[in-house]
Amino acid sequence: RKEVEQDPGPFNVPEGATVAFNCTYSNSASQSFFWYRQDCRKEPKLLMSVYSSGNEDGRFTAQLNRASQYISLLIRDSKLSDSATYLCVVRPASGGATNKLIFGTGTLLAVQP
Amino acid sequence: DGGITQSPKYLFRKEGQNVTLSCEQNLNHDAMYWYRQDPGQGLRLIYYSQIVNDFQKGDIAEGYSVSREKKESFPLTVTSAQKNPTAFYLCASRSTRNYEQYFGPGTRLTVT
Repeated sequence: RKEVEQDPGPFNVPEGATVAFNCTYSNSASQSFFWYRQDCRKEPKLLMSVYSSGNEDGRFTAQLNRASQYISLLIRDSKLSDSATYLCVVRPASGGATNKLIFGTGTLLAVQP
Repeated sequence: DGGITQSPKYLFRKEGQNVTLSCEQNLNHDAMYWYRQDPGQGLRLIYYSQIVNDFQKGDIAEGYSVSREKKESFPLTVTSAQKNPTAFYLCASRSTRNYEQYFGPGTRLTVT
């Protein structure tokens, strides 16, 4: 089982739609969770950290479910500029791995006019 | 402007040649990382350094070497021993306040 798993998509949605991505992780002791956005042939950019209580930043909402070991990202009122690959990222908790991040392979979102 | 720079953006080399990729940051971050990304795959960790003059192998260190002589700089050498060097190489640094990593723009290496 992969440490971090995401549906690769693509998710094709019309402008204005609400879309949600889920990501599951295998290490129940994982400590930190993030969503990154990566545009085609560019570097990943931090979108938001995911806190236990859930957090919102404008049209973006991230949630963590420790019991089921998944995190989610909800995008409301999708814009054309939201088209990108969304990477789920997890920091494992054990020993020397505490400073490493594990990246999912990403979910591709294509917002259409 | 604070940030991470990588150079060059594109690099072409012949098989059998070593090549060094540059990574510089002025964010005053202690920790720095090197990843490679291949099509359809997640980022894979090559090497990381948590402090000057110290570094650790990541998950795919074979065929690569690094140095960390200055806090700002973490160059990666892709040696001729690396069997599949063609990839997108990303350097990152980590804030000391949390575990968020910030990436440079990457170097796309093609070896023929």
